[in-house]
Amino acid sequence: EVQLVESGGGVVQPGGSLRLSCAASGFTFDDYAMHWVRQAPGKGLEWVSLISGDGGSTYYADSVKGRFTISRDNSKNSLYLQMNSLRTEDTALYYCAKGWYFDLWGRGTLVTVSS
Amino acid sequence: QSALTQPASVSGSPGQSITISCTGTSSDVGGYNYVSWYQQHPGKAPKLMIYEVSNRPSGVSNRFSGSKSGNTASLTISGLQAEDEADYYCSSYTSSSTRVFGTGTKVTVL
Repeated sequence: EVQLVESGGGVVQPGGSLRLSCAASGFTFDDYAMHWVRQAPGKGLEWVSLISGDGGSTYYADSVKGRFTISRDNSKNSLYLQMNSLRTEDTALYYCAKGWYFDLWGRGTLVTVSS
Repeated sequence: QSALTQPASVSGSPGQSITISCTGTSSDVGGYNYVSWYQQHPGKAPKLMIYEVSNRPSGVSNRFSGSKSGNTASLTISGLQAEDEADYYCSSYTSSSTRVFGTGTKVTVL
């Protein structure tokens, strides 16, 4: 089955760190760029980061640049997001999404930044 | 990286057609034919409805169509049905090789 499954979310204090994972199955993972997209409670979608299929190119939204790092392990069909120096405004449901056009989404993992 | 501008809400009666606009700049919507549209029902993940301005993925109803003029893209839903009630988001490639989403539009079927 073609799917993406996110994990790693939780509650963390401001200034803390968290690592999200996204497990891919049912397609040739390294053929596709992958994204992280987040959605704060009751708010719209916000693009967070992109990594190319070979992992050689990465891009970030200004709001997370310097704090978040996207990576992938093609041998494990997995995507990651290392989130450091977390802020309350990073509280959101984090989705991983496949390909140039976000043609496949996971169900998301919830990150709550609160003291 | 400002969000693309969409109307907060659009409504229509069953069977009618509605159009949702998505306004950006020459650095995103106007500069590239890489505009896509997503449908999101409450509590669900977004679903790709249109890519490259006007292309429909396999399985998406032909009642959904897309277009672009200048810095504004549009999504039209014809023959509106109750199941179309959802939030809709546009997205575009940008000159920085990043992506940007629209502010989102809530579609209500009256």
